[in-house]
Amino acid sequence: DQQVKQNSPSLSVQEGRISILNCDYTNSMFDYFLWYKKYPAEGPTFLISISSIKDKNEDGRFTVFLNKSAKHLSLHIVPSQPGDSAVYFCAASLTGTASKLTFGTGTRLQVTL
Amino acid sequence: DAGITQSPRHKVTETGTPVTLRCHQTENHRYMYWYRQDPGHGLRLIHYSYGVKDTDKGEVSDGYSVSRSKTEDFLLTLESATSSQTSVYFCAISESRLAGGILYFGPGTRLLVL
Repeated sequence: DQQVKQNSPSLSVQEGRISILNCDYTNSMFDYFLWYKKYPAEGPTFLISISSIKDKNEDGRFTVFLNKSAKHLSLHIVPSQPGDSAVYFCAASLTGTASKLTFGTGTRLQVTL
Repeated sequence: DAGITQSPRHKVTETGTPVTLRCHQTENHRYMYWYRQDPGHGLRLIHYSYGVKDTDKGEVSDGYSVSRSKTEDFLLTLESATSSQTSVYFCAISESRLAGGILYFGPGTRLLVL
């Protein structure tokens, strides 16, 4: 049973435009959500996170929005750059679980010129 | 970048043979994890450790064992490799047990079981 879902396996966006990556979850007990970025042949790298007590967190070009009632979060990248082309994983964690993360299946973002 | 290395980076083995993957960290983080990445599944937790000699199972632990005799090393062993264990294996570390604690990942080991 996939508790964290990324229903779009791929997304293509033009350079300079906004990229919106979506993630849904089923476990209402998750209290932290994270986004990781992964380039080919490398390990995932942390991008941005949000606590369940917030609805928005911003870091430069990256903003994560959380809608708890809909069990939905999204990552906005503005403006998108070619270097943003990567696979993005959404992840969620529970308090007291030694930071064990439950990951989505990933969305491959392609930023075109 | 967090100081995490994995060895080997690539391995080809045959069904039924034992395989050990090594994760080494220089950050002195208490928590270490082994994940596997497969198409259509994202990353799934195999085992994790919350200290020397303290380990526990993740969601896909069958067929795997781990050991942690030193803070800096976390070993993942496939006792008898099967083709279903063909995957990319990532080690991760964290200094916090709290939700929201960031995991830092190693570069991965690509394992092919023939």
